[in-house]
Amino acid sequence: ETGVTQTPRHLVMGMTNKKSLKCEQHLGHNAMYWYKQSAKKPLELMFVYNFKEQTENNSVPSRFSPECPNSSHLFLHLHTLQPEDSALYLCASSQEGVAGGETQYFGPGTRLLVL
Amino acid sequence: GQQLNQSPQSMFIQEGEDVSMNCTSSSIFNTWLWYKQDPGEGPVLLIALYKAGELTSNGRLTAQFGITRKDSFLNISASIPSDVGIYFCAGPGTSGTYKYIFGTGTRLKVLA
Repeated sequence: ETGVTQTPRHLVMGMTNKKSLKCEQHLGHNAMYWYKQSAKKPLELMFVYNFKEQTENNSVPSRFSPECPNSSHLFLHLHTLQPEDSALYLCASSQEGVAGGETQYFGPGTRLLVL
Repeated sequence: GQQLNQSPQSMFIQEGEDVSMNCTSSSIFNTWLWYKQDPGEGPVLLIALYKAGELTSNGRLTAQFGITRKDSFLNISASIPSDVGIYFCAGPGTSGTYKYIFGTGTRLKVLA
């Protein structure tokens, strides 16, 4: 499998549930990202990991908890979410450290609905 | 904070027509990226620009890095139905390459 993959593609959860989103990149990249995409709003960067270390937390509520066990995998753990957290959650990766390496490649996203 | 404004927000065009859209920034960028997002999918990189004045093509797509470094343009020639989607511009934020700023998107609909 190539590129950036995300599972599940769709998720419906109640406000008291706990679920996790998974992202895997097969590009040999060093940096991975979580974005939130809501209707009629620009993509919002949530977290950045570079070489497994978190380098950016864009003031994201603690009900979103990222985990990066290695450079190829990124998780987003969800608990006690609110209906306004319903959105498309996109994972991306980039090479970093080389010319043009900041270009990000996106996965297909997980469409999340919180009831 | 930094913002990227895209125009138009949406457009309907006839198949075969050429399309132009642009992206303007409140600050100088040293990289411009153009992405396309199909419904239900993640954005896919179309063109990357790294130098002011640079003109780069990818098939029927042509993008330019504005001389002022505060704008970029994307043109699509002879549009086809599969060009439907949302086109985003993006550039690195002031805090470094990790924090990319994305525009609000231009939604393109092509009428056959």
